[in-house]
Amino acid sequence: GIQVEQSPPDLILQEGANSTLRCNFSDSVNNLQWFHQNPWGQLINLFYIPSGTKQNGRLSATTVATERYSLLYISSSQTTDSGVYFCAVHGSGNTGKLIFGQGTTLQVKP
Amino acid sequence: NAGVTQTPKFRVLKTGQSMTLLCAQDMNHEYMYWYRQDPGMGLRLIHYSVGEGTTAKGEVPDGYNVSRLKKQNFLLGLESAAPSQTSVYFCASRRSGRTNYGYTFGSGTRLTVV
Repeated sequence: GIQVEQSPPDLILQEGANSTLRCNFSDSVNNLQWFHQNPWGQLINLFYIPSGTKQNGRLSATTVATERYSLLYISSSQTTDSGVYFCAVHGSGNTGKLIFGQGTTLQVKP
Repeated sequence: NAGVTQTPKFRVLKTGQSMTLLCAQDMNHEYMYWYRQDPGMGLRLIHYSVGEGTTAKGEVPDGYNVSRLKKQNFLLGLESAAPSQTSVYFCASRRSGRTNYGYTFGSGTRLTVV
């Protein structure tokens, strides 16, 4: 099956700093999503981005499908950005099953 | 508020006990999923359903059973709990069809098996 690997596993930033999170996947995919899990455990969709670039405020994401990786950029980080960021791709079939990476734990210090 | 509701939020079980986790969604979504989250391993799919009356196995189905008798509810059962099933369980739902439909996750159930 498809393997999803994220790096780095942990990241500590000072408030205001920028960061880049990476997601590599082992096979062609037709769907890639980024999620944020806040410190209270809630998972929120950030981006649906099978290819190209999208931006939403201070967050943006780029997927290069031909090279099998995606990047999540966080600019001017805030303490509320803390949590775990997951990349996930669709498994086989048309059932919406997601295969998650192991996540990047981000801590933003004031 | 519309969304996915999981019951209970916390539970401690003794080895060998049984329990059922309930997931309820009020968005008329066709697809529903049960994941477990363990430290350093991301989320792994246990079982899923693409419609009322249908269920299928995911990546880690052993030790779990599911049922979807009503479209809005997806139940996850542990018949004989084991310490290896200590985890945080998440339910999710989404519309069928286009792959860019977003997922809605519940707030999780933290289960400890002693």
